[in-house]
Amino acid sequence: DTAVSQTPKYLVTQMGNDKSIKCEQNLGHDTMYWYKQDSKKFLKIMFSYNNKELIINETVPNRFSPKSPDKAHLNLHINSLELGDSAVYFCASSQPKSGANVLTFGAGSRLTVL
Amino acid sequence: AQTVTQSQPEMSVQEAETVTLSCTYDTSESDYYLFWYKQPPSRQMILVIRQEAYKQQNATENRFSVNFQKAAKSFSLKISDSQLGDAAMYFCAYRSAYGRSGGSNYKLTFGKGTLLTVNP
Repeated sequence: DTAVSQTPKYLVTQMGNDKSIKCEQNLGHDTMYWYKQDSKKFLKIMFSYNNKELIINETVPNRFSPKSPDKAHLNLHINSLELGDSAVYFCASSQPKSGANVLTFGAGSRLTVL
Repeated sequence: AQTVTQSQPEMSVQEAETVTLSCTYDTSESDYYLFWYKQPPSRQMILVIRQEAYKQQNATENRFSVNFQKAAKSFSLKISDSQLGDAAMYFCAYRSAYGRSGGSNYKLTFGKGTLLTVNP
């Protein structure tokens, strides 16, 4: 029973294409996140949704568009892919009402843009 | 804005020995949470240990313990009796405890990580 699941785990595509990564959590958490891990392993938040409402939108190109159809799902769509978009994208969820608001991460989706 | 610094890009330890990973952070807040996450080669991010800033007692989870020095803004991770399975990238992270409009307190800010090698 995977708590936070992302699909696909690997994605290889050409520059200029559009691609999506899907994320689902079965923990009943209210908040979901997308983080980007670059080639140097640095993790940076991109977006966060709380109960389908966008609450964090860091400085991310508007080619990246998150969508949360319900609080258990948070998808990431990327238009006009560029070489610099190659990274591992992590979905995570948390329950802010729980105090420490510990994040549970998915296994990551490795995107390679050729 | 808060920043988290891990000054050791790489560390190594002999199996069964003890190693300490360093982390410092910068914040003007008095209440916050600190975390250590582990990322093995499988890429999965795994929570190792967490510390609430208002608690003076250092957190401990089995072989993992922290040395939390609030005044010095230091949060080091000690791994005792190191095992081969401890080999991973370790990330220190900070989160504000204050409710704030825009949800910025939900954000986890990470350090750049320390790659730990365990030698048999």
